[in-house]
Amino acid sequence: GAVVSQHPSRVICKSGTSVKIECRSLDFQATTMFWYRQFPKQSLMLMATSNEGSKATYEQGVEKDKFLINHASLTLSTLTVTSAHPEDSSFYICSARPPGGPYEQYFGPGTRLTVT
Amino acid sequence: AQSVTQPDIHITVSEGASLELRCNYSYGATPYLFWYVQSPGQGLQLLLKYFSGDTLVQGIKGFEAEFKRSQSSFNLRKPSVHWSDAAEYFCAVGASGGTASKLTFGTGTRLQVTL
Repeated sequence: GAVVSQHPSRVICKSGTSVKIECRSLDFQATTMFWYRQFPKQSLMLMATSNEGSKATYEQGVEKDKFLINHASLTLSTLTVTSAHPEDSSFYICSARPPGGPYEQYFGPGTRLTVT
Repeated sequence: AQSVTQPDIHITVSEGASLELRCNYSYGATPYLFWYVQSPGQGLQLLLKYFSGDTLVQGIKGFEAEFKRSQSSFNLRKPSVHWSDAAEYFCAVGASGGTASKLTFGTGTRLQVTL
C-alpha cells in the first residue's frame, strides 16, 4: 500500500516552454501532497504544500507564478513549470500524506526535468 | 524551526559489517522522526519512523533506529550490511501537531558497500 506515482519520469523541454508533472496517490486519498526539488547529490528542498481544493502554500523563495500547483482531487496534484529556463533543470519529487496522520509521507519516484 | 544534521556525508562499510548512520535533530517539542532511503534516480522509501513509545524502532530491510532525547539523536543501525543497501540515506524530522506537518531533511549520508 501507500504507492505514489509520478509522470513523466523524465522530460526534456526547450527554454521558454511549460511542462506539467503529475503526482498520483494510487491506493489512498491524499488531502495533502508536497513538492520537493533535489539538486545533484543534495538533500530535498520543500517547494510547496498542496492541499486538495485550496491554494498551495509555497516556501519562502519559491516563485508561485513560475511553479504552478494544482490539487484538484484527492489523488492528483500537478506541478507546472512555466516559462522554463535551464536553471529549472532538476529532479522534482512529490510526496503524499495519508489523511488522519500520523505524519509519514510517501514519495513518488521523481521526475528528471532537463531544460535546453 | 526544526533542523536535522547528518554529520557523515559518505560512509563505506564492508558487506556483512555493522552499520550506524548518525542523525541529530533540533526541535523544541517531541519530534516525529523518520529515516528514508533513496537509490540513484529514484524517490524516497520510508525505512522507519518514530512518533512515541518504545524508543527503539524496527523498520524494513533489517534496519532499526533508537531515539535518544537526551542526545537529540535518532541513529540508524543495521547489524549486517548487504551490498544492496548501498544508497543515500536521509533522516527527517516532522513537527508534531498541525494538519500538514512538513518534513525537514538532513543533507543525507551516502553509503557505499564494498564486497
